[in-house]
Amino acid sequence: RKEVEQDPGPFNVPEGATVAFNCTYSNSASQSFFWYRQDCRKEPKLLMSVYSSGNEDGRFTAQLNRASQYISLLIRDSKLSDSATYLCVALSGYSTLTFGKGTMLLVSP
Amino acid sequence: DAGVTQSPTHLIKTRGQQVTLRCSPKSGHDTVSWYQQALGQGPQFIFQYYEEEERQRGNFPDRFSGHQFPNYSSELNVNALLLGDSALYLCASSPLSVTNYGYTFGSGTRLTVV
Repeated sequence: RKEVEQDPGPFNVPEGATVAFNCTYSNSASQSFFWYRQDCRKEPKLLMSVYSSGNEDGRFTAQLNRASQYISLLIRDSKLSDSATYLCVALSGYSTLTFGKGTMLLVSP
Repeated sequence: DAGVTQSPTHLIKTRGQQVTLRCSPKSGHDTVSWYQQALGQGPQFIFQYYEEEERQRGNFPDRFSGHQFPNYSSELNVNALLLGDSALYLCASSPLSVTNYGYTFGSGTRLTVV
């Protein structure tokens, strides 16, 4: 079983739609969790951290459920520029990042 | 302030050859981690260097080795290249007392093995 699992998609949504991504992790010792965004053939960039209390950054909301070992990302009012691959990431060990395979989002006009 | 710099950006090698990839960390960062990202996959942790020592290693064979220099820059060496080593190699730097906000990724080296 992969340490971090995500639905690879692609998710095809129209502009303005709300889309949700889910992720599960298997290592209960993981300390912190994040969502990264990766554009085609570019490096991953931090989108936001994920907290148990839930956190919001503009149109993006992330949530962590430690009991279920489940992480989510909600994107509201999707923009064309949101088209990218979204990577679910767990931080563990000596500050090493474990990435999921990523979920591809395609936002169309 | 320069971020993480990797070189070269692209590289084509023949099966069986050896390759060296280079990484200069962000100013103020002393820890360097290397990741391999195959097409359609998420990045996979190769190893991490701190104080010129390998601090942690992922599930990669000994053909993958590295080095960190006193100025914190790092090299990744891969021997006896296989076709399956074709990937984007990412370097990430951070301060030792890491929070995720300390992680900065370079733009990567795209290695093609033919």
